[in-house]
Amino acid sequence: QSVLTQPPSASGTPGQRVTISCSGNSSNIGNNYVYWYQQLPGTAPKLLMYRNNQRPSGIPDRFSGSKSGTSASLAISGLRSEDEADYYCSAWDDSLSGRVFGGGTKLTVL
Amino acid sequence: QVQLQESGPGLVKPSGTLSLICTVSGGSVSHDNYYWSWIRQPPGKGLEWIGSIHYNGSTDYNTSLKRRLTISIDTSKNKFSLKVTSVTSADAAVYYCARDVNPGSGFDCWGQGTLVTVSS
Repeated sequence: QSVLTQPPSASGTPGQRVTISCSGNSSNIGNNYVYWYQQLPGTAPKLLMYRNNQRPSGIPDRFSGSKSGTSASLAISGLRSEDEADYYCSAWDDSLSGRVFGGGTKLTVL
Repeated sequence: QVQLQESGPGLVKPSGTLSLICTVSGGSVSHDNYYWSWIRQPPGKGLEWIGSIHYNGSTDYNTSLKRRLTISIDTSKNKFSLKVTSVTSADAAVYYCARDVNPGSGFDCWGQGTLVTVSS
């Protein structure tokens, strides 16, 4: 029952391109920036994308973000085994006056 | 390179108070663009934002937790803290502290997290 909706799982083979979707509404994604976080097993989340499509220093350009209306997507190209992780989208929600997260997507590299 | 470290009891009794501290090193909490935040993750589940505080003392709280929450900051010690009262098993989680850079730069720095168990 997360405010933002993500598919629970995604998968791909090495070298493939995968996308992870994040759906919200006009109070959150529709009117605010979207962020993406990567959480490797047993570690703290790491900022992967900010302001919809900006990569922090050190994040490879294989990762890209986009936003359209009340939905956002994270794309990973040239998939690598080390990309296997949980991915979370996040945004500010004007109605709740707080940050909200998606339920997370577990990415498996086959 | 700023670093954040959570500390506090790993075990809290039901109906008790959960208290955690986040110590910030390598940088000051007293920066206009920084909001210092708490986020938690129940075992095997997703992330939940708890709340944030600015060094001027202004706070934002998750509305679902607000009545049980207190987030405070000690600029002289470069620390901020979390208190959650009347805890139940639903409050058992890994608790992370993080830096939220405004405007629009996200939680760019996280602590390693600390597991809090609720049990008598």
